[in-house]
Formats: sequence, structure tokens, C-alpha cells
Amino acid sequence: AQTVTQSQPEMSVQEAETVTLSCTYDTSESDYYLFWYKQPPSRQMILVIRQEAYKQQNATENRFSVNFQKAAKSFSLKISDSQLGDAAMYFCAYRSATNAGNMLTFGGGTRLMVKP
Amino acid sequence: GAVVSQHPSRVICKSGTSVKIECRSLDFQATTMFWYRQFPKKSLMLMATSNEGSKATYEQGVEKDKFLINHASLTLSTLTVTSAHPEDSSFYICSARSTGYQPQHFGDGTRLSIL
Repeated sequence: AQTVTQSQPEMSVQEAETVTLSCTYDTSESDYYLFWYKQPPSRQMILVIRQEAYKQQNATENRFSVNFQKAAKSFSLKISDSQLGDAAMYFCAYRSATNAGNMLTFGGGTRLMVKP
Repeated sequence: GAVVSQHPSRVICKSGTSVKIECRSLDFQATTMFWYRQFPKKSLMLMATSNEGSKATYEQGVEKDKFLINHASLTLSTLTVTSAHPEDSSFYICSARSTGYQPQHFGDGTRLSIL
């Protein structure tokens, strides 16, 4: 079974600064997807960024980028120019590309606080 | 973008009653829907996976007779918490996906409080 680990329960960043959230995962599969979701206080789950395991290039979405290290099974999220609205819970998630169920396996989450 | 509507957003009811939560995909056909439960300050825990027209697949430890899931159409899945008790109080979130390679889109969640 796949597992996803987020080792930082809480992180804090100064507004306009850069922060990196860590995520590691364990799998025996070679084809899969990785995601970062944001859950603000409203508790809505918002997809931040997605990475296909077969792609070597790291995904980027505006201020959000990932550092995907497949051999190390690491998938960190970098938030540049942090904004107050970035404060939320962030969940790393894994999904098999071959398993029929294709369900998401979530990490335990990291609470990001942004200081003005 | 893809929109998933979950209703109700908040429900408070007495112990022993049954509560139905609806999850609708508004602009795509959801062949698969997922139901999650989230405890305060915790991650999402998958309860079950439902494919349209099939019986739901429940995760280990989830009582299928307590949490009834129906996915009768490509746009609607329902979760019914039967004979709810205070320990069933939680935040329930659904998500929907069209095909295996598409990302899941989440509803806004339902906060269930059993008195």
C-alpha cells in the first residue's frame, strides 16, 4: 500500500517570502500522479498543482512549483512571494495511474501560517 | 472548470435519525465518486469509492450498513448516515472524477453534528 508523509505539521512564512513544504511517499509503482491540495478555513479542497511521475520536468503554476525527486520519492511544494491568502492546510496526495481504484492517498497535512 | 456541488453544507440533528448527503457533478459525468471523512485538524480519510451503477467499495473499518452509498446516475451520489450517533459527527467531503486519468474535483463538504 502507498503511504504519504508530511513531516512538518506546521510551517510559518513571512509575507512575500518563500516557503517549502515537504512530502515523501512510498510506492512500488512506477506510474503515478502526485498532487498538492490547499484547504483554507472554508475547508474547500483546492487543487494547487499536479505532477505526472513520468515527467522529469517539475510542474509550476504561477507562484507554486514543485521539486519532484522520483528516486528519492520526494515531492516538495515551493510557494514564492507568499501572500496572506496562502494561509491554509496543505495536503500532499498520491494516486496510482494503473490501479483500477485510482483513489487519492493523502498525507497528514501541513498548516501554513503567513505573517504580515 | 469542473464543479462538484455538495448539499447540505451543515446539518444538525438528533441522535438516532438518518441523514442524507448529496454530491452532484454539475458540468461533467462522474463515473467515480469518493466519500471522505475528516476529523478536526486531521487529513482526509477515504471511506468508500463508488462507481456509477455498481455497489460501493468500502475501506477497511468503515461500516457499510452505517454509511449507505448510492451512485445511481453519472451526476449524483448520496451518502446516508443511518441511525446517526454523536460519534458520527464529522466533516464529510465528496469528490468526483470523470475518467481514471482526470483529477478529482471536491465538493465543499458537509459538517454533520449529531446531538
